[in-house]
Order: sequence, then structure tokens, then C-alpha cells
Amino acid sequence: AQSVSQHNHHVILSEAASLELGCNYSYGGTVNLFWYVQYPGQHLQLLLKYFSGDPLVKGIKGFEAEFIKSKFSFNLRKPSVQWSDTAEYFCAVNGNTGGFKTIFGAGTRLFVKA
Amino acid sequence: EAGVAQSPRYKIIEKRQSVAFWCNPISGHATLYWYQQILGQGPKLLIQFQNNGVVDDSQLPKDRFSAERLKGVDSTLKIQPAKLEDSAVYLCASSLVGLRDRDSPLHFGNGTRLTVT
Repeated sequence: AQSVSQHNHHVILSEAASLELGCNYSYGGTVNLFWYVQYPGQHLQLLLKYFSGDPLVKGIKGFEAEFIKSKFSFNLRKPSVQWSDTAEYFCAVNGNTGGFKTIFGAGTRLFVKA
Repeated sequence: EAGVAQSPRYKIIEKRQSVAFWCNPISGHATLYWYQQILGQGPKLLIQFQNNGVVDDSQLPKDRFSAERLKGVDSTLKIQPAKLEDSAVYLCASSLVGLRDRDSPLHFGNGTRLTVT
């Protein structure tokens, strides 16, 4: 069955700390991978996406993610978080074997202390 | 560009009542999605439209949920009768082309928070 697993439900960091949010997926065939973010009071929006090519993709606000095919992972990273990064982060995947239906993980709530 | 519009923002109903949600996607977006997000979980796809045709409704509880997208633009999602477990945020999203177009991320509305008592 197709699924997305996010390792941490809640993460608390101090400003300037490094961030890594884990994401593993179970999905056959060719996959497209996404990270979406939901800031407090706002709608879900795309942070970054991977379709093909360089497995290290860069998104908005200094975020990046690395696709490791052998590990079925797409972890999100940021070297130095800011208070404004406080949000909920969702990993998502779609692919050709699932009719490109986008499946989301349960989300990780990140709180950055000023 | 204007974003995905949803209404109402909040709705409180009693179980066994009916409720309807409305969504207006971004102009020109062919694909429209309804997702259900239960507290503590990620969004779950209920139904996907391509223009005014249904592409995927495999996870839509068809005994109580229905959705339509007349004229391939606006969409409504209805629940009748509602159950306590339907309490969730209902998200509408749209994408430019959809299906096999990779460069077409989802654009979400603010959602409707439904509470069933």
C-alpha cells in the first residue's frame, strides 16, 4: 500500500539550530516528492519538490531536501532555523502507479523558540 | 493571482444533519481535489476532478458524501447525514493541469473546519 511516514510529530528547536525532518515513503514506480508547509493561520503551500535529476533540491526560505532512492527517503533540512519557521510540515508523494494521487504524511509540528 | 476560495470557514452541526462546502479553484486550473484532514493526521484525498469529470473517488464514503463540479469550475462537497467522525478540516486544492503533469503542485484553500456534535 502507498504510504508516507514522518518520523517526528513534534519538534522544538531554538533559533539558529539545524533542522532535519525525516520522511520515508512506500510507493512503487516512479515517484514525485514534495514538502508542503502550513504556517499558523495560513493555507498549505509548497515548500519544495523533486521530480528527477539532482537528488538534492532547494526550496524557499533556505530549505532543502535530499532524495535517497535506496532508502525511500526524502528528508527536509535547514542549517539554521528562524522563529518564523514555526509551522507544520507535510511530506507528500505521488507517482505513476497511483494515478498521480498525492498522499500526505501525518505532518511534523515545528516550534522554534526565539 | 487569486487563491483557492473556500466557504464557509467554520461550521458546527449536529450528527445526522447535512452540510455543504463550496470551493472556487484558481482560474484556469483544470484539476480540483477535496481532502479531509482529521486532527493530528495528514490530508486524505476524498475525490479528484479533472475538469468536470471524476478521476478518483475511491476514498469517498459514497453512502454519505457526494461531490460535484458543474461546468468544470466551482465544486461543492456535501455530507448527508453527518457523523461524529466527520469532524475535520475539509481542504480544497487545485492544480494547473494535473494527472501526469509533474510541474503542477497543489494550491490549497484555507479549508472549512467542520465540527459535528
